[in-house]
Amino acid sequence: EVQLVESGGGLVQPGGSLRLSCAASGFTLSSYWMSWVRQAPGKGLEWVASIKQDGSEKYYVDSVKGRFTISRDNAKKSLYLQMNSLRAEDTAVYYCARDESWNPDYWGQGTLVTVSS
Amino acid sequence: DIQMTQSPSSLSASVGDRVTITCRASQDIRKYLAWFQQKPGKAPKSLIYAASSLRSGVPSRFSGSGSGTDFTLTISSLQPEDFATYYCQQCNNYPFSFGPGTKVDIK
Repeated sequence: EVQLVESGGGLVQPGGSLRLSCAASGFTLSSYWMSWVRQAPGKGLEWVASIKQDGSEKYYVDSVKGRFTISRDNAKKSLYLQMNSLRAEDTAVYYCARDESWNPDYWGQGTLVTVSS
Repeated sequence: DIQMTQSPSSLSASVGDRVTITCRASQDIRKYLAWFQQKPGKAPKSLIYAASSLRSGVPSRFSGSGSGTDFTLTISSLQPEDFATYYCQQCNNYPFSFGPGTKVDIK
């Protein structure tokens, strides 16, 4: 059974940093593109970033470029999102997703990030 | 960047109704479109990819069609568990983008 479990969310002050993790099980992580998608409270879905199987290609939404870094460790079966210089508008539930045919087929349960002083 | 729009933004329907949701892209995305269902407080669920291919385990009452800039999601006979918000997403060009969502609620 495919499982994606996010962790690392929490309350952080504006300008602070946070690292999200996503533990993958039930499939071979190294065979799939992976993505992060977020959802601000009461709002719609927003694609954040994607990473190729071997980490050689990474793509980001403009609003997080230069502040967020997506990475992966296939040996540890984990996906990461390093978030720096956090802003109030980054407050959201962050979902980890496995990509199949270029878009998510499986999603984690999400982890809440709150940026507030 | 490609902008995605959906119509309607919300609709009310009854169990057994046929429901159609439209998604439009601001430029040609060929067939690189997916549909997702989300219920309150839950993670999204993947329904359709490549505009018309059903994800494994998704009931056959869901179908998708379209190519280029205009796409539709159809629920042939609405069931109680289908009341949710539906999103489209283009994956033809980065940054991948979602539509604003269509909320389907009970009439």
